[in-house]
Amino acid sequence: DQQVKQNSPSLSVQEGRISILNCDYTNSMFDYFLWYKKYPAEGPTFLISISSIKDKNEDGRFTVFLNKSAKHLSLHIVPSQPGDSAVYFCAARIMKTSYDKVIFGPGTSLSVIP
Amino acid sequence: DTAVSQTPKYLVTQMGNDKSIKCEQNLGHDTMYWYKQDSKKFLKIMFSYNNKELIINETVPNRFSPKSPDKAHLNLHINSLELGDSAVYFCASSAVYEQYFGPGTRLTVT
Repeated sequence: DQQVKQNSPSLSVQEGRISILNCDYTNSMFDYFLWYKKYPAEGPTFLISISSIKDKNEDGRFTVFLNKSAKHLSLHIVPSQPGDSAVYFCAARIMKTSYDKVIFGPGTSLSVIP
Repeated sequence: DTAVSQTPKYLVTQMGNDKSIKCEQNLGHDTMYWYKQDSKKFLKIMFSYNNKELIINETVPNRFSPKSPDKAHLNLHINSLELGDSAVYFCASSAVYEQYFGPGTRLTVT
């Protein structure tokens, strides 16, 4: 049962244009949503996050939007750069005093074409 | 300075053997994790430790035994290795919201 879904396994974007990566979730108990970037043979690297009580968070070229009613979030990268080519994982976290769980989506491979 | 380190990076072994993977973080985080990334590239949580105490065990077989000697270390010992254990194992640590991952250990069981 996949609680966090990324329905696009891959995405190609021209350099300088906007990249939009999508993520859907099923569990309304998630407190926090995160995006990670992963290069081959490396561990995932944290990119940006958003609390479940917010609808937008921006950090430089990266913006995450959260639509709680649709249980949907998206990561916008603008402008896209070749160095952004990587696998992007959406993750959702439940944080309680004695329970802390993070569930990852299957990832979307982004290729930014120069 | 490496924030989260794992050793070894590659591990090739035969079925039935016992092996360990070590993890250390120098970030002063209270919470550490082990994840498994299988052949389909799904990252799944295996264990979560907070201040050396186990808080999550995601129905992982008993052959997997994490050990946290102190807050900075979370080692993973695997007994009687099986072919299906072949995967990349990631250690991570966390202070508040985001997690910091190690480089991964690619385990191949032959």
